[in-house]
Amino acid sequence: QVQLVESGGGVVQPGRSLRLSCAASGFSFSSYGMHWVRQTPGKGLEWVAVIWSDGSNKYYADSVKGRFTISRDNSKNTLYLQINSLRPEDTAVYCCARLYYNAMDVWGQGTTVTVSS
Amino acid sequence: QSALTQPASVSGSPGQSITISCTGANSDIGVRNYVSWYQQHPGKAPKLIIYDVSYRPSGVSTRFSGSKSGNTASLAISGLQAEDEADYYCSSYTDSSTVFGGGTKLTVL
Repeated sequence: QVQLVESGGGVVQPGRSLRLSCAASGFSFSSYGMHWVRQTPGKGLEWVAVIWSDGSNKYYADSVKGRFTISRDNSKNTLYLQINSLRPEDTAVYCCARLYYNAMDVWGQGTTVTVSS
Repeated sequence: QSALTQPASVSGSPGQSITISCTGANSDIGVRNYVSWYQQHPGKAPKLIIYDVSYRPSGVSTRFSGSKSGNTASLAISGLQAEDEADYYCSSYTDSSTVFGGGTKLTVL
């Protein structure tokens, strides 16, 4: 079935880096744009970044621009999010989601990133 | 990239209808018909229930409907059921970004 599975989260100190992965299965990954979205505990959704199906275009939320990098490897059906210079406010559950029309129709369960000294 | 504005909570009794509003700006909701709505139950991933203002993905109940007027989009749920109790988020897509609303908690009394 269509599935997205995130990994790579953990507890990290401020200023450190982390790379999140999102493994896709059950659909033609290379045909879809992909998003990263984060959600803080008990709070709402925040869009983080989007990448086109072929990786040709990437866009970021102002809050992460310059620190986060979205990328993909279509040969591995995997989406990535490189997070540098982590801040306490980056603490969240990070989910990947498939771009469908102008929305997100398939979501992963997320991987938790906790930034703490 | 300012967040869209939703009411923090709404409630209704089983069988009733409710509406959740989502207010944006001329730069997002007002400029394109790219509004989507998501339902999220506790501990679960969000589920797409409306896209492009008023389209339902396959498998989504016809009790859910969406509309837009100017800078405000709305999600209507008819015939409320206990399983509709969840958080609902609106979202608007523009050329190079996506913005979400703060979320609305729906309580079925």
